[in-house]
Amino acid sequence: AQTVTQSQPEMSVQEAETVTLSCTYDTSESDYYLFWYKQPPSRQMILVIRQEAYKQQNATENRFSVNFQKAAKSFSLKISDSQLGDAAMYFCAYRTDDKIIFGKGTRLHILP
Amino acid sequence: GAVVSQHPSRVICKSGTSVKIECRSLDFQATTMFWYRQFPKQSLMLMATSNEGSKATYEQGVEKDKFLINHASLTLSTLTVTSAHPEDSSFYICSVQGLRNTEAFFGQGTRLTVV
Repeated sequence: AQTVTQSQPEMSVQEAETVTLSCTYDTSESDYYLFWYKQPPSRQMILVIRQEAYKQQNATENRFSVNFQKAAKSFSLKISDSQLGDAAMYFCAYRTDDKIIFGKGTRLHILP
Repeated sequence: GAVVSQHPSRVICKSGTSVKIECRSLDFQATTMFWYRQFPKQSLMLMATSNEGSKATYEQGVEKDKFLINHASLTLSTLTVTSAHPEDSSFYICSVQGLRNTEAFFGQGTRLTVV
């Protein structure tokens, strides 16, 4: 069965600095999709970034980028130039054919 | 992306009563919708997969008679919490998941409080 592990329950970063959130997963499939979702205090789930496993190039979305290491089954999220609005829970997720599996989440605090 | 509307956003009910939560896909025909439960400071736990025109598929440990799911059309799925108890108090979120190469689209969530 697929699993998603986020080993950092909480992290803090100074405003304008860079922070990296870790995620590892376990699967026997070769073709899959990975996501990072943000859940702010409103609790609305927001897609941050997506990565297709067959693509070697790391996905980027403005200040957000991933380090996708397929062999190591690692999918970390880097947030550059952190802003106060980035404070939220961040969930790493793995997409199977019929469901999405979420990690336990990392709560990110932004220090002014 | 798809727009998903979930209603109500908050509900308080008395113990023993039933509560219905609606999830609408406003611009996407969803043959499948998903219901999640989220406890405070925890991750999303998949409860069940709602299939249009057929019975829902429940995850292990989720009582199907307790959490009734109806998916009567391509745009609407409902979750009814029957005979609610305080331990059913939680945050419930629905989602529509598109083709395999797209992300999930989430409703705004429903905070249920059973008193």
